[in-house]
Amino acid sequence: AQSVTQPDIHITVSEGASLELRCNYSYGATPYLFWYVQSPGQGLQLLLKYFSGDTLVQGIKGFEAEFKRSQSSFNLRKPSVHWSDAAEYFCAVGGGGSYIPTFGRGTSLIVHP
Amino acid sequence: DTAVSQTPKYLVTQMGNDKSIKCEQNLGHDTMYWYKQDSKKFLKIMFSYNNKELIINETVPNRFSPKSPDKAHLNLHINSLELGDSAVYFCASSQGTGGLLGEKLFFGSGTQLSVL
Repeated sequence: AQSVTQPDIHITVSEGASLELRCNYSYGATPYLFWYVQSPGQGLQLLLKYFSGDTLVQGIKGFEAEFKRSQSSFNLRKPSVHWSDAAEYFCAVGGGGSYIPTFGRGTSLIVHP
Repeated sequence: DTAVSQTPKYLVTQMGNDKSIKCEQNLGHDTMYWYKQDSKKFLKIMFSYNNKELIINETVPNRFSPKSPDKAHLNLHINSLELGDSAVYFCASSQGTGGLLGEKLFFGSGTQLSVL
């Protein structure tokens, strides 16, 4: 069965600082990988996804993520965080006979001015 | 126009009551989902329907019954509400079967259910 681990429950960064949110997955083959963002009181919105090809994926709002098969990781990065990036971030994995993506438990991003 | 809309946004009710949450998507998608998000933000799939047919039914109490009158609607009915049902419930949709084909999920803005 596929699974996703987001080891950090909370991350605090200063505005303008760089950001990396960690995601590790467990899956037998090449997975489909996603990052979603949930702003307060809102549903989840897709930031980016990886299917195949280039392992560095660009998304919306200046985010990117890198698929590293050897580390079973799909970490999310942003070079300079804005206060509006404060939200909950979810990593998800899908594919290979599973009808639904499996979500990690989320990482809450706090941005200090 | 909102792509995935669910009503109500907030639902406060007493234990033992029966309540429904409605969800509609205007994206023409084939697959719809119900997720439950607990107080620790953990997002757990409850049900998934593809073209009105149930394809995923996770370990959810029988008190929860989804109904899909057409592929644009997936409603969630909950009988005999319990304190532990308090959570945020999200409806979502995807063009194909989200995980299998790696389709993007479109989420509604959630229904905050509080059982007193």
